[in-house]
Formats: sequence, C-alpha cells, structure tokens
Amino acid sequence: KNEVEQSPQNLTAQEGEFITINCSYSVGISALHWLQQHPGGGIVSLFMLSSGKKKHGRLIATINIQEKHSSLHITASHPRDSAVYICAVRLSGSARQLTFGSGTQLTVLP
Amino acid sequence: EAQVTQNPRYLITVTGKKLTVTCSQNMNHEYMSWYRQDPGLGLRQIYYSMNVEVTDKGDVPEGYKVSRKEKRNFPLILESPSPNQTSLYFCASSLILAGEQFFGPGTRLTVL
Repeated sequence: KNEVEQSPQNLTAQEGEFITINCSYSVGISALHWLQQHPGGGIVSLFMLSSGKKKHGRLIATINIQEKHSSLHITASHPRDSAVYICAVRLSGSARQLTFGSGTQLTVLP
Repeated sequence: EAQVTQNPRYLITVTGKKLTVTCSQNMNHEYMSWYRQDPGLGLRQIYYSMNVEVTDKGDVPEGYKVSRKEKRNFPLILESPSPNQTSLYFCASSLILAGEQFFGPGTRLTVL
C-alpha cells in the first residue's frame, strides 16, 4: 500500500467549477506539500502545510493531521489550471525530503 | 532570478556510456535532491544532500552516484546507464529540510 494516496486520479471539469483533490497518508508526517506539474513537465510548489489552511489566489489547501488527510481546492477553475497536481509528504523524523502521491490529472474544459 | 538549472534537458545515449546530469541552484540552499519520474510510479527520490560533502541514498539509488563538492552544485552520475534508467529526472533544492521545494526544469533521458 502506498504511503500517500491521491484521489481522484483523473478529473475533468468545466470552466468555473469548484474542484477538490484529496490526499490521504498513512504515516506520521512533519509537513505536506502540494505541487503542480505543467503539461510541459515543469514542477512548481503550490503550498507547504503542517496544520490548518492556506490560501493563494483561487487555490486553498487544508490539512487535518488527526485524520491524516489534506485537500486542495480550486475555485472558479480555468483551462490554465489544467495540470497534474501532486501531494507529497515529509515523514516525521526523516531526513529524506519527500514521499510523493501518484498525482491527479486535472483537465478544465472551456 | 532564483532558479534551479539542469543540463542537459534532453539526452539520448547508449547502454554503458557514462553520463553526468548537472544541477545548479543560485539560492544558497542547503538541501538538494534528485528524483526520477516514471509513468505509473510517480516521483521517487534517488539521492539527497543536506550540505556540502553530505549525501545519502533515497528510495531508488541503485545505478546512480552523486557528489556535493560545492553548495550550489549537485551532479547526478550514471556510470553505466541501462535502459531501465530511461526516465524524466528532476533536481530540487530547499533552504532547509522542511522548506519549500524548488524544482529544476527536468532532464529527459533515454538509454538505448
């Protein structure tokens, strides 16, 4: 079983829809990252969370440490949001950098 | 501009021919890592470095070597590449272990 599970694997939405991507993990963590991988392959860090909620523009990330669960929300989605969204965790007490989920392919149609 | 650079971006080579993929960051970051990304397997860590001359294995280190002689550079060395090392490789850095990750643009390697 993967230590980090994302759902859904694929998501198609219409422009303007509210989108939620979920990430569950089975181990103790010190931080959780949300990353965005563009169609061209480049990876950008969106959020790093250890508790609570963070917001940046139309993106909101939340984490519930007790439930070992995080969500990434996109409000008023746009075709330019089409990308792969990757959840990654840093294991508690580990010097290794990150363990990754398999990613969620998001396609936003105009 | 703060960035992580990788070279080459694309490389096609043959089995057994030694190669090096360079990685350099200009942000004075202490932590650097190499990852490979494969369809269906996602991103997996190859090696990481916590500072100059301090490196350690990640999840899939077999067939790879790294060095960290200077803080800004973290080259990935494939002494005898094999076809199963065909992959998309990313270098990343962060100021501290738990910090925001900055990724390089990726190197697409094909070993024939």
